[in-house]
Amino acid sequence: EAGVTQFPSHSVIEKGQTVTLRCDPISGHDNLYWYRRVMGKEIKFLLHFVKESKQDESGMPNNRFLAERTGGTYSTLKVQPAELEDSGVYFCASSQSPPIGNTIYFGEGSWLTVV
Amino acid sequence: GNSVTQMEGPVTLSEEAFLTINCTYTATGYPSLFWYVQYPGEGLQLLLKATKADDKGSNKGFEATYRKETTSFHLEKGSVQVSDSAVYFCAQSGGTSYGKLTFGQGTILTVHP
Repeated sequence: EAGVTQFPSHSVIEKGQTVTLRCDPISGHDNLYWYRRVMGKEIKFLLHFVKESKQDESGMPNNRFLAERTGGTYSTLKVQPAELEDSGVYFCASSQSPPIGNTIYFGEGSWLTVV
Repeated sequence: GNSVTQMEGPVTLSEEAFLTINCTYTATGYPSLFWYVQYPGEGLQLLLKATKADDKGSNKGFEATYRKETTSFHLEKGSVQVSDSAVYFCAQSGGTSYGKLTFGQGTILTVHP
């Protein structure tokens, strides 16, 4: 069974450009989460989807970030316009509903560098 | 609010040395506690977890015990290997949102032959 997959794995863009990150959760997982780790700091929660609905978006830093999950399958996270401080690794995770054994599964991350 | 404080790194050890990475938490209620590991070039993997006080999580020779009295979840391994070199993250989940994890800042472990 495929795990959580993220694309692209690495991206380098200029300040002011737009980047869209994609996450494909494990098949059948209703819960999808976005996290990010910026500048070697702790990994921070961004938001949580249950199917196509945003359950909790309390961690989204500002309105330059837009997450969608149309149809309740894959999700995209768009940063527009990107700023230097957005550089870091963006993790996607998914889990069943409810999470069996309290376990959520992470992808390998999308590494974003804004120059 | 909930927080996780992790031992600052980096930690450098020789093979077969004993490892401890300290982790303490603050939380309202009784969270589940986790250790995640990120090997070079890979994603986050769940290493072990504990869901209630006095539970011991274990995997791949690593152990951690959920200590409510000291609000701690220290990671230990009796004999580390070069292949254990990675970044280790302590985390907690809060309330009914199991997927909303609060992470510590991560500890880089390097094991030399």
